[in-house]
Amino acid sequence: GQSLEQPSEVTAVEGAIVQINCTYQTSGFYGLSWYQQHDGGAPTFLSYNALDGLEETGRFSSFLSRSDSYGYLLLQELQMKDSASYFCAFSGGYQKVTFGTGTKLQVIP
Amino acid sequence: DAMVIQNPRYQVTQFGKPVTLSCSQTLNHNVMYWYQQKSSQAPKLLFHYYDKDFNNEADTPDNFQSRRPNTSFCFLDIRSPGLGDAAMYLCATSRGGQETQYFGPGTRLLVL
Repeated sequence: GQSLEQPSEVTAVEGAIVQINCTYQTSGFYGLSWYQQHDGGAPTFLSYNALDGLEETGRFSSFLSRSDSYGYLLLQELQMKDSASYFCAFSGGYQKVTFGTGTKLQVIP
Repeated sequence: DAMVIQNPRYQVTQFGKPVTLSCSQTLNHNVMYWYQQKSSQAPKLLFHYYDKDFNNEADTPDNFQSRRPNTSFCFLDIRSPGLGDAAMYLCATSRGGQETQYFGPGTRLLVL
């Protein structure tokens, strides 16, 4: 089967750095995406890793290790508005996307 | 601005009464998705269209159907809604070969 596991909740202090991990099991893997979703809102795309290594987009970075079936999202200089749920998602064949269990991030002052 | 639009934003229906949710897009993307999301859970893919090709997830109940009459529009039909079908329904689009999905604001369905 296919699955992606994430920690259910993470709390971090404003201005700090936080890492959200994602481990996956799948047959047929094209890449790992990350989405942010505020309460009551729709998911918004953050980043995508097709290859091993680090992708940086402003305060957000995402990492993938295919050999370890593992990835993470790194958020730097945390702001209160970063409080949201974060989902990893993998792309299989034919544009099919499966979302991870999600991590609720709470940023505290 | 190019976008994904879902109507209505809130839908109340009665147990067993058919309901249709709609999604339209101005992005001209050839892939469209329907997700179900329940409170504090991840979006669950129900089905998706790659161009005109329909892809149904194995665990999507038969109660859920979809139509895509053209590139811009996609509909989700729930033939006999049950209380367990109350959820947020999200429509998303992407361009074939690209990973970014663009989500609509969702339709929150309440079943009485």
